[in-house]
Amino acid sequence: DSGVTQTPKHLITATGQRVTLRCSPRSGDLSVYWYQQSLDQGLQFLIHYYNGEERAKGNILERFSAQQFPDLHSELNLSSLELGDSALYFCASSVGTSGRRSEQFFGPGTRLTVL
Amino acid sequence: DQQVKQNSPSLSVQEGRISILNCDYTNSMFDYFLWYKKYPAEGPTFLISISSIKDKNEDGRFTVFLNKSAKHLSLHIVPSQPGDSAVYFCAASGNAGGTSYGKLTFGQGTILTVHP
Repeated sequence: DSGVTQTPKHLITATGQRVTLRCSPRSGDLSVYWYQQSLDQGLQFLIHYYNGEERAKGNILERFSAQQFPDLHSELNLSSLELGDSALYFCASSVGTSGRRSEQFFGPGTRLTVL
Repeated sequence: DQQVKQNSPSLSVQEGRISILNCDYTNSMFDYFLWYKKYPAEGPTFLISISSIKDKNEDGRFTVFLNKSAKHLSLHIVPSQPGDSAVYFCAASGNAGGTSYGKLTFGQGTILTVHP
């Protein structure tokens, strides 16, 4: 158990819908990262938040957005869903800031299926 | 553009022998490297990391070697155990124009099977 929790574990929805994925980082970790793992793309970085502020963006679609709240949990919002958005979405957390290297600890993931 | 590559999709070894997993990278800005292990339906689990100022880091049965000139790293597992059977990902991070070190760039993974 990494200490990172993600809900829900599974999500099945239809095209055009909007969903929210939730992540709670390990106690004491200030950084939260979101990754997408699809069959053909592997693990792809989406976005990084540190203590409530966005720090870096990867190849995140404009239909996707995220935020980190004062209690440090984070939500990833996916809207106007398409079939190709079906994937595993992982959240990770670390102690580190942008200037410090530290390992990231991953949650169990949310499996999103868009029908 | 795949900046981190694991060219072997799979590796099969006998219990007790050494497993060697390889990873190549192209971006010279990477300066921190990590190995993760992943079981089906679970998130990646951190195994071991190495900074670019070192060429070796050891933790129990796991050793990571870094060859900066060749932009190559490897993970050695000795002795291999059946419970090590999983997908292994190498990942890299670094300073990209002042933005977050935190972004990890992953390889495609290598499926390790350890036979009893």
